[in-house]
Amino acid sequence: NAGVTQTPKSRILKIGQSMTLQCAQDMNHNYMYWYRQDPGMGLKLIYYSVGAGITDKGEVPNGYNVSRSTTEDFPLRLELAAPSQTSVYFCASSTSRGGEGYGYTFGSGTRLTVV
Amino acid sequence: DQQVKQNSPSLSVQEGRISILNCDYTNSMFDYFLWYKKYPAEGPTFLISISSIKDKNEDGRFTVFLNKSAKHLSLHIVPSQPGDSAVYFCASHGWGTSGTYKYIFGTGTRLKVLA
Repeated sequence: NAGVTQTPKSRILKIGQSMTLQCAQDMNHNYMYWYRQDPGMGLKLIYYSVGAGITDKGEVPNGYNVSRSTTEDFPLRLELAAPSQTSVYFCASSTSRGGEGYGYTFGSGTRLTVV
Repeated sequence: DQQVKQNSPSLSVQEGRISILNCDYTNSMFDYFLWYKKYPAEGPTFLISISSIKDKNEDGRFTVFLNKSAKHLSLHIVPSQPGDSAVYFCASHGWGTSGTYKYIFGTGTRLKVLA
């Protein structure tokens, strides 16, 4: 059982380049999330999805886009990379919005550096 | 602004002793409180949770205490083991004061258990 799989594990981008962070889950979870973690900070929600075809903004959506064409996949797109987007990105999934106390299942993260 | 605060960025404890990690929150409408554990180069993993209607929940060596009057959450690990060395995030979720559902993470406490 793979859980939540994120690719790539790390990437270095030049300013202005674009890329897609991939996220896939095999638990048939309806809810999926993208977070970023900056050094010394908590996890900040970028976007989330409550099911295929439905996405919504989180706390820090600027500079990112998402799509959810299937239950399994939730890619995050960076169109014009900026140094402020240097961070570790985590994808997560859950059976409900609040995880009902059972918590989210996280991927292992993608470390992105924009130079 | 709803917040979850972990005021101690780091904690060192001798193996076999008790580790106590603390968390304060501002929103009394949160439904659940959770602790996640994170090893380097991995995503956070769910550890233990507590409902807002309870004041204690145990799972093996881990016990979470909730003091609603003080808006304070703590995680006790007894006895501490070297494998417990990790970053611990507290999190909480529920309806925010603005009418939107919130799932908020603290900034983390790095626990080091000394052999």
